[in-house]
Amino acid sequence: DAMVIQNPRYQVTQFGKPVTLSCSQTLNHNVMYWYQQKSSQAPKLLFHYYDKDFNNEADTPDNFQSRRPNTSFCFLDIRSPGLGDAAMYLCATSRDQGATNEKLFFGSGTQLSVL
Amino acid sequence: AQSVTQLDSQVPVFEEAPVELRCNYSSSVSVYLFWYVQYPNQGLQLLLKYLSGSTLVKGINGFEAEFNKSQTSFHLRKPSVHISDTAEYFCAVSEIYGNKLVFGAGTILRVKS
Repeated sequence: DAMVIQNPRYQVTQFGKPVTLSCSQTLNHNVMYWYQQKSSQAPKLLFHYYDKDFNNEADTPDNFQSRRPNTSFCFLDIRSPGLGDAAMYLCATSRDQGATNEKLFFGSGTQLSVL
Repeated sequence: AQSVTQLDSQVPVFEEAPVELRCNYSSSVSVYLFWYVQYPNQGLQLLLKYLSGSTLVKGINGFEAEFNKSQTSFHLRKPSVHISDTAEYFCAVSEIYGNKLVFGAGTILRVKS
């Protein structure tokens, strides 16, 4: 059974048109992460939520926002997608904030295309 | 800040042959090390992790990795690969008091029959 679910699997948007990617989890984990993975590159952490506390990475563009209305759901909003934002977006969860001893559970990702 | 270098972008290998996927890291502090696997159209799965203790770590699917502090390496090995091992493998590092993973660029393992 899928524990971290990302919808949709593929998303196409137009240049400059806002888009939202969704992630849900059935694990009741405290922490939810969003990673951006461009083709042939390493996944890069954009931000994470520890419960309701939002933690943005220093180099994450302002164009990227996130919402976590409850424990189970987390959204990635791209306000004005550019061609360079085309990537696979991975959601992950962990029980606690220390990723070291905690296992990260990843969703299958949403592949975003920008036309 | 930490960084991870995976020296090979692709590794082709015949079925039942041994394989080694190389990973080197840099960090000014002590780290934990991880290998993740990503099968086509799937998310990342944890293969194994090194936190402390024995430098030889065994993971799932017959994979193992050895932590070498002097060489700042954490190479992944399997003595005999299967077609089903075809996937992309990511090495990752985290500060021991940190809360995020830094990934390498990945190595695509292609197992041929």
